[in-house]
Amino acid sequence: GDSVTQTEGQVALSEEDFLTIHCNYSASGYPTLFWYVQYPGEGPQLLFRASRDKEKGSSRGFEATYDKGTTSFHLRKASVQESDSAVYYCALSDQFGANTGKLTFGHGTILRVHP
Amino acid sequence: DPKIIQKPKYLVAVTGSEKILICEQYLGHNAMYWYRQSAKKPLEFMFSYSYQKLMDNQTASSRFQPQSSKKNHLDLQITALKPDDSATYFCASSQSNSAETLYFGSGTRLTVL
Repeated sequence: GDSVTQTEGQVALSEEDFLTIHCNYSASGYPTLFWYVQYPGEGPQLLFRASRDKEKGSSRGFEATYDKGTTSFHLRKASVQESDSAVYYCALSDQFGANTGKLTFGHGTILRVHP
Repeated sequence: DPKIIQKPKYLVAVTGSEKILICEQYLGHNAMYWYRQSAKKPLEFMFSYSYQKLMDNQTASSRFQPQSSKKNHLDLQITALKPDDSATYFCASSQSNSAETLYFGSGTRLTVL
């Protein structure tokens, strides 16, 4: 079955540090890839998505590039702020999920940014 | 104002009892979903509905029954509750049932004693 692996369980940074959260996936066909962010007490909300190889998704200074060759969709941000502290989820929707709305999520990465 | 309302926010139940988790969305969406987030596990897809019809069911147990009385409602009935059912249950919606943006509610945290 489909799977999403996020390497980092927790990341602690200082403001203005560079952020990378690694995401690798395994899926049949050509999945759509997503990054979601979850703040305390809220549900996940979409950060951005990408549907084809080499497509870059971006929002609020975060970005990730769909790489079919390495089956990756790593999240990066050049300069993090304290307000970026949250849980970040990588997710995918495979060809079947494209008809049912099913997303497969990674375990999530807790990001803590210190002032 | 929250566009997806889940009630209650917290729920405590005893083993063997039955509970209903409420979800209403005011986004005008045609598809609704339930996801579960258990401790140490990723968000897990449970059900999807489109125009009040079941599209996909990934829940092995028949103890979990979605109920859609209106297009913007998708409640979740859970019977014969077990401690392993303890989790946060998220309702979500999207314009259609394709792989597009899902909007999540803030969840119902269920604890089964």
